[in-house]
Amino acid sequence: QKEVEQDPGPLSVPEGAIVSLNCTYSNSAFQYFMWYRQYSRKGPELLMYTYSSGNKEDGRFTAQVDKSSKYISLFIRDSQPSDSATYLCAMSAFGNEKLTFGTGTRLTIIP
Amino acid sequence: DGGITQSPKYLFRKEGQNVTLSCEQNLNHDAMYWYRQDPGQGLRLIYYSQIVNDFQKGDIAEGYSVSREKKESFPLTVTSAQKNPTAFYLCASSAGTGRLSNQPQHFGDGTRLSIL
Repeated sequence: QKEVEQDPGPLSVPEGAIVSLNCTYSNSAFQYFMWYRQYSRKGPELLMYTYSSGNKEDGRFTAQVDKSSKYISLFIRDSQPSDSATYLCAMSAFGNEKLTFGTGTRLTIIP
Repeated sequence: DGGITQSPKYLFRKEGQNVTLSCEQNLNHDAMYWYRQDPGQGLRLIYYSQIVNDFQKGDIAEGYSVSREKKESFPLTVTSAQKNPTAFYLCASSAGTGRLSNQPQHFGDGTRLSIL
């Protein structure tokens, strides 16, 4: 079993819809959680960075962490065609700079 | 502009050849990382370095080598011992080591390596 599980998709939604992307993990030591967006042939770009449980909002993006369920989510409101990309979750334990990544979810927003 | 520069963007390797991928950062970050990305497998850590002249193996270091002679540079050599080198290689850096070790990592735009 992988330490981090992420549904690879592909996921297609119409423009303007709310998108929900999710990861589950098994290592209870993980305390730092990140979401990256990766366009084709580009490097991952950091979208959200959160510590421990709770919600964090940045514009149209909301990151949610539920440590009791070992489940993290990224919500995208009012989705745009420019949001079409692969979304990677990543996480690390305290004092450990090594990140563990999910395999990524490929998202397409249909105009 | 501050950032991470990887070169070349595309690289081709012949059988038995070593090739070196360049990674330079001007973010004044202490830590640097090399990842390999294959379809359906996510990012896997090859090597990382927290300080100049020191580096550690990641999960898939066999067939690769690195050096860290300068803070801003962390080149990766793919040796002939790496039998399946075709992949997208990503370099990253982060500000933190020690107490700051959970700072987020920032990535370059990658080098795509293929076999001739």
